[in-house]
Order: sequence, then structure tokens, then C-alpha cells
Amino acid sequence: GAGVSQSPSNKVTEKGKDVELRCDPISGHTALYWYRQSLGQGLEFLIYFQGNSAPDKSGLPSDRFSAERTGGSVSTLTIQRTQQEDSAVYLCASSFSRTGEVGAGLVYNEQFFGPGTRLTVL
Amino acid sequence: AQTVTQSQPEMSVQEAETVTLSCTYDTSENNYYLFWYKQPPSRQMILVIRQEAYKQQNATENRFSVNFQKAAKSFSLKISDSQLGDTAMYFCAFMKPPPPGANSKLTFGKGITLSVRP
Repeated sequence: GAGVSQSPSNKVTEKGKDVELRCDPISGHTALYWYRQSLGQGLEFLIYFQGNSAPDKSGLPSDRFSAERTGGSVSTLTIQRTQQEDSAVYLCASSFSRTGEVGAGLVYNEQFFGPGTRLTVL
Repeated sequence: AQTVTQSQPEMSVQEAETVTLSCTYDTSENNYYLFWYKQPPSRQMILVIRQEAYKQQNATENRFSVNFQKAAKSFSLKISDSQLGDTAMYFCAFMKPPPPGANSKLTFGKGITLSVRP
């Protein structure tokens, strides 16, 4: 089936403008994650959705960043008043939310990643 | 909080040879998962291999194997018979066990750029 898709693939914007990044998860995946990949910073977690709610938004760097998910499917990451330090690749991932135990630990749900959106703030 | 450290920013290997990528992590958890992800120039993150901390046996996936040293908190990736298609950025990642009905985030290292020379 189709994988995780993200749009746009690339986005160039001027400092101070707002941008919206979109993520379409794999059908049936109830969990959705946003990560940011910056030069020199590696991959950083931003926010995680379980269905439409976000139990963990601890990685959002400032109140200029927000995200929502509707219908348990598509998610939008919005960055307001963009700054040059927001330039990065924004990756989205999705997974199932199976429960249970395997061996000595709880079941693991593999995260499948999209191709990312490269954001450049001039 | 968990941290993942990849201290080598770049490595190069001759085609058909073996290369080992290093990763250390810090956690107070006893049970967790460790991963190696590959990111080629297409930016698509691909899971290479996974290790459950409660398993003593090192994970193996074809040419890829890990050396998991739980006491030392070390998790290195060995790529045997390197191929040109292995050229990519490789990330080591950590995950706490998810609570029931929920999921956990991945904590990544900064990555290492691997170049395979023909």
C-alpha cells in the first residue's frame, strides 16, 4: 500500500511568513509523529498524535509551532512568523497502536517515515 | 531523559569491505528498544535493524548486524560486504517501551555519513 506522504516536498519562504506542512499517514495508522532534522542537530522529536489528540508535544520549540490532526488521519504542522533557524527538513512518521506484551517488554510499533519537507527560510 | 551519541560524523569504506558504526546511549530504563535507521539522499528514513534490550542475542539482518553491550550502553552497527547502495546517513535511535494503548517517540543521535567507495 501507499506509504507516508508529505507535502510540499520543498518550501521556500520569507522570514516572518507563516507556513503549513502536511502529512498523510499510512491508512489505519493511529499514531503520527513529527520530527525536525536540522544541520548539526540531528533528528529532534516535535510532537506525537494518538488519534486526534497530542499526548506528547514536548518537542515543539516555541509557541510559533503548532500542529493538528483531523479525522485521525491527515496532520498539519504550522509554523508562524518563520525565522531562519526554522530552516530544516520536517519529517513525519506513522505507526499502529497495537497493545500487548512481547517477551519482557510491551509490543513495539514500527514508525514508518515520509520523505520529509525541506523548509528554507530566507 | 535519554540521550544518544554518535561521535563519528563521517566514515568511508571500500566496496566489499566491512565497516562498524558506533553508538552509545544513556538511560535509566531497563527495558527499551534500539534501532539503526538509514537515510539515503532521497531523505526517506528506512529501518535497518532493531534490538530489544531484554534480548541478549545480537540482532542480524542479512549483511547488517549489531553489537549490543547493555552494561556499557553501546550499540554498534556492522555492515559486511559494503555495497555502493549503502552510501547514506545512518542514525542510531532509542525508544522507551510504550505505555498500554499508546506509543513512544524515537530519540536519535546526530547521525553519521557513510560513503562507500567503488
